Amino acid sequence: GAVVSQHPSRVICKSGTSVKIECRSLDFQATTMFWYRQFPKKSLMLMATSNEGSKATYEQGVEKDKFLINHASLTLSTLTVTSAHPEDSSFYICSAAGTGSPYEQYFGPGTRLTVT
Amino acid sequence: QKEVEQNSGPLSVPEGAIASLNCTYSDRVSQSFFWYRQYSGKSPELIMSIYSNGDKEDGRFTAQLNKASQYVSLLIRDSQPSDSATYLCAVSDMDSNYQLIWGAGTKLIIKP
Repeated sequence: GAVVSQHPSRVICKSGTSVKIECRSLDFQATTMFWYRQFPKKSLMLMATSNEGSKATYEQGVEKDKFLINHASLTLSTLTVTSAHPEDSSFYICSAAGTGSPYEQYFGPGTRLTVT
Repeated sequence: QKEVEQNSGPLSVPEGAIASLNCTYSDRVSQSFFWYRQYSGKSPELIMSIYSNGDKEDGRFTAQLNKASQYVSLLIRDSQPSDSATYLCAVSDMDSNYQLIWGAGTKLIIKP
């Protein structure tokens, strides 16, 4: 149980384009989803927290107009990186938590974004 | 500022020995504690959760919690080379929307 999928696993895009990443909880309803970014050999950095049907809460320093988050249902959240630049190249990871153990986060496999 | 502290390592342990990973946290009201394992280039994987003082065992893993000392540890018995990874300690942030406060992780190396 507690499986989270993420798609795509790897994407290469040109500077100035937008990329959408999907995160799905496959066998549970995720009341809260989280988006993280991780640079090589660095710690996880929380970007935003989202609840189904509500606007996402962004961490300080994360541009909400650049990183658009939609949590349309209890099993799906999307992150769109708009007007991507090379400095946005990173490993983006989502996690989901259900109602049973709301602090227990289950991670998707991550999306490696490379902006050329 | 709420913090979770871990020794970054690397911690080198011979195969078959017990690996002991430690974590301290600053927020006294935290109630939920987690250990995640992260292999290089992969996402974190939840391996243990603990909510009450004492020990919790799951296979070769034992989590230990001491809320009075604000200390949580993870023991790995009969360490295997496949246990080589970074272990992340995470603690519930009771003031947030179910967020976790993350340690920076301890890199564990099991030597054959």
